[in-house]
Amino acid sequence: GENVEQHPSTLSVQEGDSAVIKCTYSDSASNYFPWYKQELGKGPQLIIDIRSNVGEKKDQRIAVTLNKTAKHFSLHITETQPEDSAVYFCAASKGGSYIPTFGRGTSLIVHP
Amino acid sequence: NAGVTQTPKFQVLKTGQSMTLQCAQDMNHEYMSWYRQDPGMGLRLIHYSVGAGITDQGEVPNGYNVSRSTTEDFPLRLLSAAPSQTSVYFCASSYDDEQFFGPGTRLTVL
Repeated sequence: GENVEQHPSTLSVQEGDSAVIKCTYSDSASNYFPWYKQELGKGPQLIIDIRSNVGEKKDQRIAVTLNKTAKHFSLHITETQPEDSAVYFCAASKGGSYIPTFGRGTSLIVHP
Repeated sequence: NAGVTQTPKFQVLKTGQSMTLQCAQDMNHEYMSWYRQDPGMGLRLIHYSVGAGITDQGEVPNGYNVSRSTTEDFPLRLLSAAPSQTSVYFCASSYDDEQFFGPGTRLTVL
């Protein structure tokens, strides 16, 4: 089955800095890579995703890059703000299976 | 739309007790799933369903049962609770690969 590794487990940055979270996956058949944000006391929520036919996708201050050859993908957050503080999960799946495998999560702390 | 709802929000059980965690969605999604979240372990899949009447096991199914009699509801049953089942449980429904999570149930087994 699929195995997703996520690093780092904790990331502390100053407000305004950039943050990068990296994930690797094992199944070359995976073609859908979402990122979820989980705020304290809430369920995870999709913030951005990328499919294997695209190398990079941006949405305002967040971007995701994908390297299918190396089987890794990353989340980039620029100009971080305190409200970006949360746990972020990467995931991988075969599109259409609807059942992703999640990484272990990264706790992002943005200091004002 | 209420989205995905879960009840209860908090629950304390004694070892050996049984209970059902409720999950409902009003988005008419065919796919639903249950995850448990433990510190440092991420989200691990317990059971999932691809439609009414169809369920299958995920990564950590032992100690849990599910059924799916309607599209809307997907309850998770603990037949004999154990301290190892202390966790936060999330229900999710899926559409077009996106998972929509409920607010979670925090379960403590003493």
